[in-house]
Amino acid sequence: AQSVAQPEDQVNVAEGNPLTVKCTYSVSGNPYLFWYVQYPNRGLQFLLKYITGDNLVKGSYGFEAEFNKSQTSFHLKKPSALVSDSALYFCAVRDSLGSGNTGKLIFGQGTTLQVKP
Amino acid sequence: DAGVTQSPTHLIKTRGQHVTLRCSPISGHKSVSWYQQVLGQGPQFIFQYYEKEERGRGNFPDRFSARQFPNYSSELNVNALLLGDSALYLCASSGTGGESHGYTFGSGTRLTVV
Repeated sequence: AQSVAQPEDQVNVAEGNPLTVKCTYSVSGNPYLFWYVQYPNRGLQFLLKYITGDNLVKGSYGFEAEFNKSQTSFHLKKPSALVSDSALYFCAVRDSLGSGNTGKLIFGQGTTLQVKP
Repeated sequence: DAGVTQSPTHLIKTRGQHVTLRCSPISGHKSVSWYQQVLGQGPQFIFQYYEKEERGRGNFPDRFSARQFPNYSSELNVNALLLGDSALYLCASSGTGGESHGYTFGSGTRLTVV
């Protein structure tokens, strides 16, 4: 079964420092991977996705993620954190294509990012 | 161009009641999915519809049902509400069956069951 793990409930970083939010996955076949951000009392905002191609994916708001097939990881990164980046971040994997697959997203438990001034 | 719109934004219901949540996808998107997000957890898949047909169903009881209309909008219905149904219900639309595109989420409906 497909699954996603976010090993850290919370990540704390000082403004201006680089940040990393970790995600590991388990899938059969090629993974379709996503990062979403959620601000309080809001829905999910799409940050970036990996489907195929370059292992370093660039997304919205200066975020990027590195796909590592050997380590089955898809960590979210940003070179310089902003206080406004403080939010809840979700990693997700989509069912791989195939007969009967629905294309549902399977989410991790989420990581709260706290950026302090 | 409007994003995914959900209504109502907030709702309070009593145990045993019925609720209907509504979702309008992005114009041109034919696929709608529903997710339940309980406080402190990641969203859980409930249903996906594409071209008015159910494409998938998550591990939810039969009290949960949904449908998609000819204009691709969708309704999620929950019968016999339980306290545990209190959650943020998210709707997501995608441009095809979701094959390689990201999903655009609405802001959700916050359901509180008392």
